[in-house]
Amino acid sequence: GESVGLHLPTLSVQEGDNSIINCAYSNSASDYFIWYKQESGKGPQFIIDIRSNMDKRQGQRVTVLLNKTVKHLSLQIAATQPGDSAVYFCAEILAGNAGKSTFGDGTTLTVKP
Amino acid sequence: EPEVTQTPSHQVTQMGQEVILRCVPISNHLYFYWYRQILGQKVEFLVSFYNNEISEKSEIFDDQFSVERPDGSNFTLKIRSTKLEDSAMYFCASSMTSGYVEQFFGPGTRLTVL
Repeated sequence: GESVGLHLPTLSVQEGDNSIINCAYSNSASDYFIWYKQESGKGPQFIIDIRSNMDKRQGQRVTVLLNKTVKHLSLQIAATQPGDSAVYFCAEILAGNAGKSTFGDGTTLTVKP
Repeated sequence: EPEVTQTPSHQVTQMGQEVILRCVPISNHLYFYWYRQILGQKVEFLVSFYNNEISEKSEIFDDQFSVERPDGSNFTLKIRSTKLEDSAMYFCASSMTSGYVEQFFGPGTRLTVL
């Protein structure tokens, strides 16, 4: 069945370093993959998405990489800041499923000053 | 910046009682969603709603659950007879017609069933 998972439940980095958060997915039919950020007491916040026919997409300070061969998704955050401390989730959407997002387990990113 | 709002922020109820969770999606959005997150677990999809009808629902969304858009601004989730295992954070989300990939989430309602 569908499942999206993250490799590590926690990640601690030094301020200014780059962060890499990983996700493994199992449904090769998914059309979109999305990264969300969830800060304490708030709902998930959309960061960036990537279509399944792409292997890289860049945003502001973030890059998402998609490796369909090994069904792996990663989020790279450049020059990590204390405000980046949050739980990060990957999610997948199947086109035609009316926006139904299947979330993976979260990775808690802690940025040390 | 427009945002999704939810009320109440915390709802405590007795097992077997009915609860209604309310959401005001972003005004020009036409797709609406409910998700839930049990403490410490992943976010789970419940239902998507478009054009006054359910578009997609998960196995969790059984006959105890219903959704409604009673007017032009509110979107509600009703749980008819709450169970202990319904205790969770419930998130409403909305998206624009043309792109349901980017969903905007509200802050959530924490439901506690005693």
